Amino acid sequence: AQKITQTQPGMFVQEKEAVTLDCTYDTSDQSYGLFWYKQPSSGEMIFLIYQGSYDEQNATEGRYSLNFQKARKSANLVISASQLGDSAMYFCAMRRTGANNLFFGTGTRLTVIP
Amino acid sequence: DTGVSQNPRHKITKRGQNVTFRCDPISEHNRLYWYRQTLGQGPEFLTYFQNEAQLEKSRLLSDRFSAERPKGSFSTLEIQRTEQGDSAMYLCASSPTGRPRTGELFFGEGSRLTVL
Repeated sequence: AQKITQTQPGMFVQEKEAVTLDCTYDTSDQSYGLFWYKQPSSGEMIFLIYQGSYDEQNATEGRYSLNFQKARKSANLVISASQLGDSAMYFCAMRRTGANNLFFGTGTRLTVIP
Repeated sequence: DTGVSQNPRHKITKRGQNVTFRCDPISEHNRLYWYRQTLGQGPEFLTYFQNEAQLEKSRLLSDRFSAERPKGSFSTLEIQRTEQGDSAMYLCASSPTGRPRTGELFFGEGSRLTVL
């Protein structure tokens, strides 16, 4: 069984500062992918970043980076230089290799303070 | 390149009524997914289509729910005899054949259902 845990229901960050959103996961699979999605108030889930379980380097996409610690089963999202438009819900998700669906955590609401 | 489109965006109905949601995926995407998201939760998988074939259904998809994708393009999700517990955001997503390495899903803005 898969489980995604996001322990921070809400986070605040000052504009231009960096913030880390936590995600831990539990799976018995050896091959899987980890995802982060952003959900603004409009409702659309926007893909941010992906990390494969066998990737040796931490993923980066612009201001987003994923701090992947496989032994600890954590996949934290780091957002650098926060902007007001980053205020949204953020979801961590996992998919077993070969599976068709993503399994999501409960999310963290990020608020960027001007 | 238009994104995933869902209609209606909002639906308010009385308990016991039937409702239908439509999803138009990105045109070249042959994989289509339905998810349900309740307040304070992440999206939960409901069902998956590859072209017109429904290949996977979650246990969340009770017999009151039916999803179709008759021509492998748009999809509909129908809920019969709605209950208050069906109130949620229904999200549709699509992904292309021979998915990119990341395999990310492209989501629509969702259809919000309120059952009174």
